[in-house]
Amino acid sequence: DADVTQTPRNRITKTGKRIMLECSQTKGHDRMYWYRQDPGLGLRLIYYSFDVKDINKGEISDGYSVSRQAQAKFSLSLESAIPNQTALYFCATSDRLARSYNEQFFGPGTRLTVL
Amino acid sequence: SQQGEEDPQALSIQEGENATMNCSYKTSINNLQWYRQNSGRGLVHLILIRSNEREKHSGRLRVTLDTSKKSSSLLITASRAADTASYFCATNAGGTSYGKLTFGQGTILTVHP
Repeated sequence: DADVTQTPRNRITKTGKRIMLECSQTKGHDRMYWYRQDPGLGLRLIYYSFDVKDINKGEISDGYSVSRQAQAKFSLSLESAIPNQTALYFCATSDRLARSYNEQFFGPGTRLTVL
Repeated sequence: SQQGEEDPQALSIQEGENATMNCSYKTSINNLQWYRQNSGRGLVHLILIRSNEREKHSGRLRVTLDTSKKSSSLLITASRAADTASYFCATNAGGTSYGKLTFGQGTILTVHP
């Protein structure tokens, strides 16, 4: 969905490096999410934010941190990347006020490789 | 842990055939959704069914929900090669989890022309 953008789209980094993945949305949604996807697995929730001042840990938050700089921006940081954080990362949004408020809209993903 | 378990893990059919994918979950839900993912791309929402609904249709898609068995199925009728993708069920538990989704591992569907 072009309304949810992620940068970078691909990133190769080394163990121990700090890396930030960014997500921006023009949908005006209040809720934003970060997921990771590993081969053969579904998506697992890392962090989610229901508004700018509300940030919550998801299923697998260890080793990650987030920042909700504005309603439209939600960044995911790996403070010290490790190889098992190699995965496909997705940002998603949803709108609390929408009729189908549970529907989530996904960005194109960031493929992260940690060597 | 994954809330949804999907079956089969992979499904290969010919164009024109119907494809059925199943999802089982463990805890009570507010709603269940199905998403589609083309290879390596973002997920796209297909359909949502609420816990008080038993069946829902959208175009060639038919979703059923059996809360007593904690299971759902997605039927794609008259499949096309363009339906080739991974399909994921996702559950929302409601309550304090409202807005959060828990995804299953997905079913890889291949439709041969």
